[in-house]
Amino acid sequence: GAVVSQHPSWVICKSGTSVKIECRSLDFQATTMFWYRQFPKQSLMLMATSNEGSKATYEQGVEKDKFLINHASLTLSTLTVTSAHPEDSSFYICSARVPGLAINTKNIQYFGAGTRLSVL
Amino acid sequence: LAKTTQPISMDSYEGQEVNITCSHNNIATNDYITWYQQFPSQGPRFIIQGYKTKVTNEVASLFIPADRKSSTLSLPRVSLSDTAVYYCLVVPLIGAGSYQLTFGKGTKLSVIP
Repeated sequence: GAVVSQHPSWVICKSGTSVKIECRSLDFQATTMFWYRQFPKQSLMLMATSNEGSKATYEQGVEKDKFLINHASLTLSTLTVTSAHPEDSSFYICSARVPGLAINTKNIQYFGAGTRLSVL
Repeated sequence: LAKTTQPISMDSYEGQEVNITCSHNNIATNDYITWYQQFPSQGPRFIIQGYKTKVTNEVASLFIPADRKSSTLSLPRVSLSDTAVYYCLVVPLIGAGSYQLTFGKGTKLSVIP
């Protein structure tokens, strides 16, 4: 099956610093990747849809200047949390769809293992 | 997007069959029903997807009645490693919100030895 790799798996940073999270599709080219955030004991919330070669589409309430998304290649999307604060501490998860599949499987998303961000 | 409702939690003993039912009364013609599994501190994993009737794979079965207003995920003979949160999603394949996954609260399944 399709494999999505996310790095790092865990990061601790000081308040005010920036953190970059990478999401790679290892065995397929992903024109579209997704970024989610999950707080403890809560469900996943979609933050943005990342399209290769174009600007990301952010969900309502997500600050695009704070959560910078870059999808410069067909196998890599990055999420940078700028000037992180303790309230940004969360579990960040990326996913990707495999293009070119039959219509009844196009929506299946393959998820990375997630990145636990702790801002001190 | 169609909203889903599923039990918050379920307990089951090892070796039993577990059925998790999800309601999606406002499901649209273009919507597929998809289930994901999530272990703690991991990303979700696709389990099964269907449009109508019954779908079976090596992991689970999915039963969808004719009116498609609900669906039931069936896990045969669960083991402790099946303890996880199970999410039922309704995903439009065309039109607004195509391919977007909207996660609800999910069902936390606890398998007891």
